[in-house]
Amino acid sequence: SQKIEQNSEALNIQEGKTATLTCNYTNYSPAYLQWYRQDPGRGPVFLLLIRENEKEKRKERLKVTFDTTLKQSLFHITASQPADSATYLCALVYYGGSQGNLIFGKGTKLSVKP
Amino acid sequence: AAGVIQSPRHLIKEKRETATLKCYPIPRHDTVYWYQQGPGQDPQFLISFYEKMQSDKGSIPDRFSAQQFSDYHSELNMSSLELGDSALYFCASSPTRATYNEQFFGPGTRLTVL
Repeated sequence: SQKIEQNSEALNIQEGKTATLTCNYTNYSPAYLQWYRQDPGRGPVFLLLIRENEKEKRKERLKVTFDTTLKQSLFHITASQPADSATYLCALVYYGGSQGNLIFGKGTKLSVKP
Repeated sequence: AAGVIQSPRHLIKEKRETATLKCYPIPRHDTVYWYQQGPGQDPQFLISFYEKMQSDKGSIPDRFSAQQFSDYHSELNMSSLELGDSALYFCASSPTRATYNEQFFGPGTRLTVL
């Protein structure tokens, strides 16, 4: 079965540093991978999508890479701020039925200390 | 901008009771997804609808059913509730059936089964 793993359950960093979150997947070759942010008790919020033919995608202080050989995506937040503290979920698109749906990783809880 | 609306936000039921969760997608979004998120878990895909037809099915128990109505709102019906059904239930919508597009999540319904 498809499996998606986010290596760290929690990541603590100092304000201003770069946070790097890892997402690995097995038994599947997704065409797309998405990253979401989730705050406690709230729904996930879409951040970035990267396609298999894209090596890197940027949006403001966010950067995502996608290595289909390693079956890995890295998510970077540069110049991190305490407001970036949240759980970050990676999700791959799985075409098991008539359309794709998202399979989420368990998330990495990021804490940025001032 | 209008967001996904879910009601109720909180629901408390007894074992073996029935619950109905409602979801109102963003206007002009024709695809709706339902997810279940247990404590400390990742969102698990339950079921999706496109243009009022069931589109894909995930790990939805047979005790649960859902439909999408002519105004595109969706309802998740849950019967014979079990303690393990206690979770956050998210609805998400997207403007197209293609899952490479981002999904817009609602605030969730927290269901507690006693």
